[in-house]
Amino acid sequence: GAGVSQSPSNKVTEKGKDVELRCDPISGHTALYWYRQSLGQGLEFLIYFQGNSAPDKSGLPSDRFSAERTGGSVSTLTIQRTQQEDSAVYLCASTFMPPGVGEEQFFGPGTRLTVL
Amino acid sequence: AQSVTQLDSQVPVFEEAPVELRCNYSSSVSVYLFWYVQYPNQGLQLLLKYLSGSTLVKGINGFEAEFNKSQTSFHLRKPSVHISDTAEYFCAVSDRGSEKLVFGKGTKLTVNP
Repeated sequence: GAGVSQSPSNKVTEKGKDVELRCDPISGHTALYWYRQSLGQGLEFLIYFQGNSAPDKSGLPSDRFSAERTGGSVSTLTIQRTQQEDSAVYLCASTFMPPGVGEEQFFGPGTRLTVL
Repeated sequence: AQSVTQLDSQVPVFEEAPVELRCNYSSSVSVYLFWYVQYPNQGLQLLLKYLSGSTLVKGINGFEAEFNKSQTSFHLRKPSVHISDTAEYFCAVSDRGSEKLVFGKGTKLTVNP
């Protein structure tokens, strides 16, 4: 596809369940970023990948959150034992160049997660 | 730590009026500055960015922003807005060499007829 895609677009789950959110970056983009957009908190950086490596995981809110990237392409963000405060829109972005050079990040449409 | 303040959470204006959306950041190092726009039910897209050079940068849809280092500001302006500019606007900053893009909490611009 031409842009960043994310699936599912909406996810409703019960508290305590695990969820997986998927991101397909633009083909050829080496860097991939995850953000969380929630009311009152704005957009928070979660984690980024350069290739398949995530050099800095300090933005993840808790150890219930994990992410991986395989083949330098698709990434999955997993939230275990979901809590109501995890409800948010999870955004993925990608860039061709590595981070730190001021390149535009291309964002996907997001996954809206609702934890009941 | 890096932070971004968007002073107005909501800005209502009439069509064809000028608008300025304010953004201030905190940083002691060289930075890159961005404005992103999020139209209703759509993802974020880049309006404009400042990397270096001229402090006045022009972006898409007639928007421009001015980098003011002494005031650590990067305010977004448009001389005449349209109904279609109704959206949420986010200012963002990253330290040079950093992977982290820090966003402000956004300003909802509503353009009324």
